[in-house]
Amino acid sequence: SAVISQKPSRDICQRGTSLTIQCQVDSQVTMMFWYRQQPGQSLTLIATANQGSEATYESGFVIDKFPISRPNLTFSTLTVSNMSPEDSSIYLCSVEGSSYEQYFGPGTRLTVT
Amino acid sequence: LAKTTQPISMDSYEGQEVNITCSHNNIATNDYITWYQQFPSQGPRFIIQGYKTKVTNEVASLFIPADRKSSTLSLPRVSLSDTAVYYCLVGDPLFSGGYNKLIFGAGTRLAVHP
Repeated sequence: SAVISQKPSRDICQRGTSLTIQCQVDSQVTMMFWYRQQPGQSLTLIATANQGSEATYESGFVIDKFPISRPNLTFSTLTVSNMSPEDSSIYLCSVEGSSYEQYFGPGTRLTVT
Repeated sequence: LAKTTQPISMDSYEGQEVNITCSHNNIATNDYITWYQQFPSQGPRFIIQGYKTKVTNEVASLFIPADRKSSTLSLPRVSLSDTAVYYCLVGDPLFSGGYNKLIFGAGTRLAVHP
């Protein structure tokens, strides 16, 4: 299994601003994933980040709103840009294990006022 | 990607065995079945994965009938700490381009009572 940390663990931001969330893994991984979980809801995949290539975004998510960086095999960032209250969610990163199972970070709880 | 259907919620008591059934009528030949557990304020945790028949690990058992149109996650002798949301997912890692694209459904909220 992989150990994943995220920073910040939570933040309160004003609308119109941007927040960058960091995801650090304790081992080298090829695929990293970013999810959003709105209050009381299930997880929704935002994008898949493969090191050395552009992130692949799911329907309803665009790079201008959620730019992702993947500079190396242990780190990724997700930026939530020009935030509105509708962006208030928990944002989670995950990595894939050897049997295609995924290991999730603890999440970043974002509140936009 | 096959759609899954699970009960929205279940209640149980400490020490009982809990069985959560997931329906996936449109499962494809190469799809695997995976279960995750999520506690409040935490990311999901991988529990178990299987393709057919029965899989058991230190946490749970997964029963998959021959037609694979459903699966049952079995939690033996639950405790209060097993109160969580349990997600059933179906997918084929190779179909998604070599990685497992997880599509989460609503999950089953299990409440374990004293």
